[in-house]
Amino acid sequence: DQQVKQNSPSLSVQEGRISILNCDYTNSMFDYFLWYKKYPAEGPTFLISISSIKDKNEDGRFTVFLNKSAKHLSLHIVPSQPGDSAVYFCAAIITGGGNKLTFGTGTQLKVEL
Amino acid sequence: DSGVTQTPKHLITATGQRVTLRCSPRSGDLSVYWYQQSLDQGLQFLIQYYNGEERAKGNILERFSAQQFPDLHSELNLSSLELGDSALYFCASSEAGRTEAFFGQGTRLTVV
Repeated sequence: DQQVKQNSPSLSVQEGRISILNCDYTNSMFDYFLWYKKYPAEGPTFLISISSIKDKNEDGRFTVFLNKSAKHLSLHIVPSQPGDSAVYFCAAIITGGGNKLTFGTGTQLKVEL
Repeated sequence: DSGVTQTPKHLITATGQRVTLRCSPRSGDLSVYWYQQSLDQGLQFLIQYYNGEERAKGNILERFSAQQFPDLHSELNLSSLELGDSALYFCASSEAGRTEAFFGQGTRLTVV
């Protein structure tokens, strides 16, 4: 049972444009959400997170939006750069439950020149 | 560099064998997590230790075990290996009270 879903396996965007990566979850107990970026042959790198008490968190070019009623979150990257090309994983946590991450299957982002 | 160190980077072994993967967490992090990434499964949580004690368990096979030592490094032991155990194994660590986990570069295990 996939509790965190990323329905788009891949996304291609032009340099300078906005990249929007989407993630849906089914477990209403999740109360903290994170995005990780992964390059080939490296471990996932933490990007940005959001608590369920917020609906938006911003860090430089990265903004995460959370819609609790829809059980949906999205990561916006503006402007997209070629170095952003990587696999992006969304992950969810039930805080207080050991903080184990439940990951989505990832979206391969390709930023083209 | 996340500060989490995993050894070895690559491991090739035969079916039926036993291997040990090692993880050194970031300095000061008390929590260590192990994840498995296989081709068709994505990143799956295996087990978490906090300051030497098992904190949470995921879909970890009985053939697999882990421990965290007093110096906080952790080892994941995989025994009676099968072809299907071939995967990337990641270790992550986090500070007490923080939710963001930082990952090592992983150990690529190939069972032949």
